Amino acid sequence: DIVMTQSPLSLPVTPGESASISCRSSQSLLRSDGNNYLDWYLQKPGQSPQLLIYLGSNRASGVPDRFSGSGSGGSGTDFTLKISRVESEDVGVYYCMQALQTPITFGQGTRLEIK
Amino acid sequence: QVQLQESGPGLVKPSQTLSLTCTVSGGSINSASYYWSWIRQAPEKGLEWIGYLYYTGSTNYNPSLNSRVTMSLDTSTNQFSLKLNSVTTADTAVYFCARGYCTTSSCQLYYFDYWGRGTRVSVSS
Repeated sequence: DIVMTQSPLSLPVTPGESASISCRSSQSLLRSDGNNYLDWYLQKPGQSPQLLIYLGSNRASGVPDRFSGSGSGGSGTDFTLKISRVESEDVGVYYCMQALQTPITFGQGTRLEIK
Repeated sequence: QVQLQESGPGLVKPSQTLSLTCTVSGGSINSASYYWSWIRQAPEKGLEWIGYLYYTGSTNYNPSLNSRVTMSLDTSTNQFSLKLNSVTTADTAVYFCARGYCTTSSCQLYYFDYWGRGTRVSVSS
């Protein structure tokens, strides 16, 4: 199984500041089609997860451009979700997920809270 | 707008079978572009993929649950279902159904774009 490791697990942020979450996979998520099969989801309190970013860097429909995803160095194993100008509505648990192969696996989650 | 809604008993006794149904509205499950998936979340825990099925009826299960899981779909009612047998307290969780988007050529999963609100299932005697 591909193991997904997120850091930090807890992220207190002052409104208006930016925040970054790291996700590392135990195997490359880069497929032969050139895509990294890495998604980011946000689970707001009491809700189901919602898609933020797919294929590493593509914002899902309706997601504010404050959210951006990237991969580093072309390794296909290191990814970052950046949230610019954090707002109170961004509170919740952020998960990365690999969609490259089954079993589909998720990171442990990063809880973002407002200071 | 696509919507998914889970339904089923909220309480199951140990060793019995957990059965859930997901009703899809606003779109057909008889489509080559989607996987229909079950994902669960134990109390205060992260997300665990249980498995998914395709409109052809083919399935793919998490090996950690493989021997206990059965999924099926009913295109006439636009529903798909999950059965998990021989449950224990470790199966207590919120169960989500979700739609996975895939490319039509090889149906490589891209992401889960629509999720149900989840249904809480407790395993207890």
